[in-house]
Amino acid sequence: KAGVTQTPRYLIKTRGQQVTLSCSPISGHRSVSWYQQTPGQGLQFLFEYFSETQRNKGNFPGRFSGRQFSNSRSEMNVSTLELGDSALYLCASSPDRGANYGYTFGSGTRLTVV
Amino acid sequence: QKEVEQNSGPLSVPEGAIASLNCTYSDRVSQSFFWYRQYSGKSPELIMSIYSNGDKEDGRFTAQLNKASQYVSLLIRDSQPSDSATYLCAVNPQYGNKLVFGAGTILRVKS
Repeated sequence: KAGVTQTPRYLIKTRGQQVTLSCSPISGHRSVSWYQQTPGQGLQFLFEYFSETQRNKGNFPGRFSGRQFSNSRSEMNVSTLELGDSALYLCASSPDRGANYGYTFGSGTRLTVV
Repeated sequence: QKEVEQNSGPLSVPEGAIASLNCTYSDRVSQSFFWYRQYSGKSPELIMSIYSNGDKEDGRFTAQLNKASQYVSLLIRDSQPSDSATYLCAVNPQYGNKLVFGAGTILRVKS
């Protein structure tokens, strides 16, 4: 059974650019959540999607956005990149709405903004 | 007050000893609780979940939950050097459809 797949694994972008990250959840999982992980702030919740609808959003600026497709694949977009956006971005999938059963994380996308 | 608090460590234990990792949470009506292990440069991996008061054992791991004290712990018996990692406590609060993570405790098992 394939796990959560995130692409790309590594990205280097320049300040002001935008970036799109992709996530394919475990087959049959309909909930996809995104987290940002930095050494100083730890794992911070970005948003959660279920059946193509954003159900919950964390405390991040509007430059961070996402969407989910009918096949449950999800993308997140960060516009007007800032140096502080450098982080590991983790996608997690869950079999149902909510986090009652915990998440399975992908390998992450490491974004470096220069 | 942070929603989920953990001692950042590092917690150093000798090989074969019991490692005890602790976590407190602020939302009294939180419903589910998880422990994740994260090796350096890797993503978090779910190792234990617990939903009701008491102990839950899985191999060398035991999770303990005390909802009255808002306290979750993870015991690792017969600690091995391969257990050296950061352990993240995660809580599913009543509202929000999300997991809230603690900052993690670094565990070092010395052979």
